[in-house]
Amino acid sequence: EPEVTQTPSHQVTQMGQEVILRCVPISNHLYFYWYRQILGQKVEFLVSFYNNEISEKSEIFDDQFSVERPDGSNFTLKIRSTKLEDSAMYFCASSREFSGNTIYFGEGSWLTVV
Amino acid sequence: QKEVEQNSGPLSVPEGAIASLNCTYSDRGSQSFFWYRQYSGKSPELIMFIYSNGDKEDGRFTAQLNKASQYVSLLIRDSQPSDSATYLCAVMRDNNNDMRFGAGTRLTVKP
Repeated sequence: EPEVTQTPSHQVTQMGQEVILRCVPISNHLYFYWYRQILGQKVEFLVSFYNNEISEKSEIFDDQFSVERPDGSNFTLKIRSTKLEDSAMYFCASSREFSGNTIYFGEGSWLTVV
Repeated sequence: QKEVEQNSGPLSVPEGAIASLNCTYSDRGSQSFFWYRQYSGKSPELIMFIYSNGDKEDGRFTAQLNKASQYVSLLIRDSQPSDSATYLCAVMRDNNNDMRFGAGTRLTVKP
């Protein structure tokens, strides 16, 4: 069964450093997403991406964050100048259609900022 | 007011019983409703989705939607210990793909 893959599974970084989280969405999917989940809290939408541009973003997704699809397969989330409060599980997701019933989540990248 | 509200639980039911999970939402523009299951440290897994008022059944799961009351629920029949997880309610408008999640209800099914 096709799946969304994410790397790294866990990254520890020092405060102020830049982090890039990588995702390979399912190959025939057109919509890509990043969500985050701070430990013990709810899953929060960050951004959606379609046709090589951001289609939606939440209030969390400020200038510290950026997304990119550098080639035909990868979808990346860059976090500049990381803060302690950026520590969370970051989930990449993809969907074939513009509807939630086809959204598949990756296993997540756990980011710890120290 | 929280956009999507769920009782955090824990909700504990005996094996074989019916588990009832509830969710309310504040945005009347919400059109699509989802239930995800999340095991500890894992990613959300879609269990059910529902768009229209009424009930939708899939195996042991039934989703119920009442848009007038802004209420959506999930019933799990013949609960199994493997159903023990956190269940996340999520809602979405039709004109965007910004899915909003509740904080989840932790369900424990005791053998």
